[in-house]
Amino acid sequence: GENVEQHPSTLSVQEGDSAVIKCTYSDSASNYFPWYKQELGKGPQLIIDIRSNVGEKKDQRIAVTLNKTAKHFSLHITETQPEDSAVYFCAASSGGGATNKLIFGTGTLLAVQP
Amino acid sequence: DAGVTQSPTHLIKTRGQQVTLRCSPKSGHDTVSWYQQALGQGPQFIFQYYEEEERQRGNFPDRFSGHQFPNYSSELNVNALLLGDSALYLCASSPAGQNEKLFFGSGTQLSVL
Repeated sequence: GENVEQHPSTLSVQEGDSAVIKCTYSDSASNYFPWYKQELGKGPQLIIDIRSNVGEKKDQRIAVTLNKTAKHFSLHITETQPEDSAVYFCAASSGGGATNKLIFGTGTLLAVQP
Repeated sequence: DAGVTQSPTHLIKTRGQQVTLRCSPKSGHDTVSWYQQALGQGPQFIFQYYEEEERQRGNFPDRFSGHQFPNYSSELNVNALLLGDSALYLCASSPAGQNEKLFFGSGTQLSVL
């Protein structure tokens, strides 16, 4: 069935270092890949997304890369700051057509040490 | 511009009871999706509403039902609550024509005792 695997489950970095989170999806028809940041007691917040016709997208310190052949996509955060500490979720669209649900990964707890 | 709002924020129920959760979408959004997030897990798709109809449903039993109103707000109903229904229930709205682009509320934390 539809599945998104996410690694690592926890990641600890020093402030200023880079962080990379990787995801693999199973549905070949997936064409939309968002990343969400969830802070304690809050709902997930969309931070960046990419569509299948693009290989890379960047927004300030955040970038996402997509390899459709390998069904891999990754989140890169550069110059990490303590406020980047949160749980990050990747997701892939599934279903296609008029309705697209998102299949989420299991999350990565990122801790940025000052 | 208010984001997605959900009520209540927390709820405690006992096994067998019924619960109704409410959601108001972001201004200009016409599609509402509901997700269940168990502790330490990613959100799981329950269903999506558009034009007051359930458009797609995830792998959840019929005890889970919903409704969308003409003003695009939505309700999630869960009957015959089980202990395993304890979770954070998230509502997300999407802009017209982009139903996969989700903007989440802060959720309702449901505890079933």
